[in-house]
Amino acid sequence: AQKVTQAQTEISVVEKEDVTLDCVYETRDTTYYLFWYKQPPSGELVFLIRRNSFDEQNEISGRYSWNFQKSTSSFNFTITASQVVDSAVYFCALSEDKGYSTLTFGKGTMLLVSP
Amino acid sequence: KAGVTQTPRYLIKTRGQQVTLSCSPISGHRSVSWYQQTPGQGLQFLFEYFSETQRNKGNFPGRFSGRQFSNSRSEMNVSTLELGDSALYLCASSSTAETQYFGPGTRLLVL
Repeated sequence: AQKVTQAQTEISVVEKEDVTLDCVYETRDTTYYLFWYKQPPSGELVFLIRRNSFDEQNEISGRYSWNFQKSTSSFNFTITASQVVDSAVYFCALSEDKGYSTLTFGKGTMLLVSP
Repeated sequence: KAGVTQTPRYLIKTRGQQVTLSCSPISGHRSVSWYQQTPGQGLQFLFEYFSETQRNKGNFPGRFSGRQFSNSRSEMNVSTLELGDSALYLCASSSTAETQYFGPGTRLLVL
């Protein structure tokens, strides 16, 4: 069975600080996909990134970067120079390659960025 | 392209009633998935439909059901509502078995 663990329940930072959100996953499949979603107070899950299991290259998109390490089954997310608008709940999710989409989510990390 | 839309956005029901939620996927997307989000259980997968066929189902009682129409729009139904069914119900669509894009959700309160 697959599982996603986000050990950090809540993180509080001051604006402009860097913050890393941790994600550890478990799966028996060799082909799988990892995702990060952002959920602002409005409730909608906003897609941030998707990584497949064969692509361990780190990715940077503006202030966001992701570090995928298969050796430690981790897919961590770093926000550089955080802003108040980054305040939200962030979810890491896993999908196995079975021909259909079923996401297994972690419990989420609430990020609070204060001015 | 318009995003995933869900109606209604908010709903209040009483125990024992039934409810139907609707989801319109992104144009061209044929897969629709439903998730339930509660403070205690987090985000849990309900079911997934593709071309009017249910391809996968989560671990929920039979009171939860769904269907998909030929235009890919989907509905989910919950019968005999219980207090524990109060949740945010999220619908997601995808064009392939890859990235799912979510709608704004329907907040259901059961009294």
